[in-house]
Amino acid sequence: AQSVTQLGSHVSVSEGALVLLRCNYSSSVPPYLFWYVQYPNQGLQLLLKYTTGATLVKGINGFEAEFKKSETSFHLTKPSAHMSDAAEYFCAVSNQAGTALIFGKGTTLSVSS
Amino acid sequence: NAGVTQTPKFQVLKTGQSMTLQCAQDMNHEYMSWYRQDPGMGLRLIHYSVGAGITDQGEVPNGYNVSRSTTEDFPLRLLSAAPSQTSVYFCASSYSIDSNGHSEQYFGPGTRLTVT
Repeated sequence: AQSVTQLGSHVSVSEGALVLLRCNYSSSVPPYLFWYVQYPNQGLQLLLKYTTGATLVKGINGFEAEFKKSETSFHLTKPSAHMSDAAEYFCAVSNQAGTALIFGKGTTLSVSS
Repeated sequence: NAGVTQTPKFQVLKTGQSMTLQCAQDMNHEYMSWYRQDPGMGLRLIHYSVGAGITDQGEVPNGYNVSRSTTEDFPLRLLSAAPSQTSVYFCASSYSIDSNGHSEQYFGPGTRLTVT
């Protein structure tokens, strides 16, 4: 069965510091992986996705993620945090049939000045 | 395109009442899904559909019914609301989730439901 584990429900960084949000997955089929961001009282916005091909995926707002099959990981990074990055981030994997998503529990990112 | 629309935005129900959350999309997407979001739990899949007339259960289907009579609409029904169903509900649609490029799910703005 598909599942996602996000390590750390809260991550705090200083403005300008590296952002690293961790995601590990379990999948019985080749996974399709996604990162979504949710700003307070808003819906979900796709940051980036991995389907096939290049394992380093670049997304919007300077974020990127690397698919590592051997580690079953898809960690999200950004070299330099900005105050506007404060939000909740969700990692997701496609379900076995490829018809919907299975989400992790989310990581709240706080950015201090 | 309006994308994925959901109505209502907010709803308060009493225990035992029934209601339907509406979801519509104008992108001719095959796949539609319903999720609920609860603090600390992320989003959990309730039901999904791969086309008109075809639905299936997700992770947390109990207490919810769905049907898909048209490509555009995918309503979620609560037959007898319970306080445990207090949540934010999101509808999503996509062509499919595969390697052909049409793998993004588009989410609606959500419906915030409170059951007292």
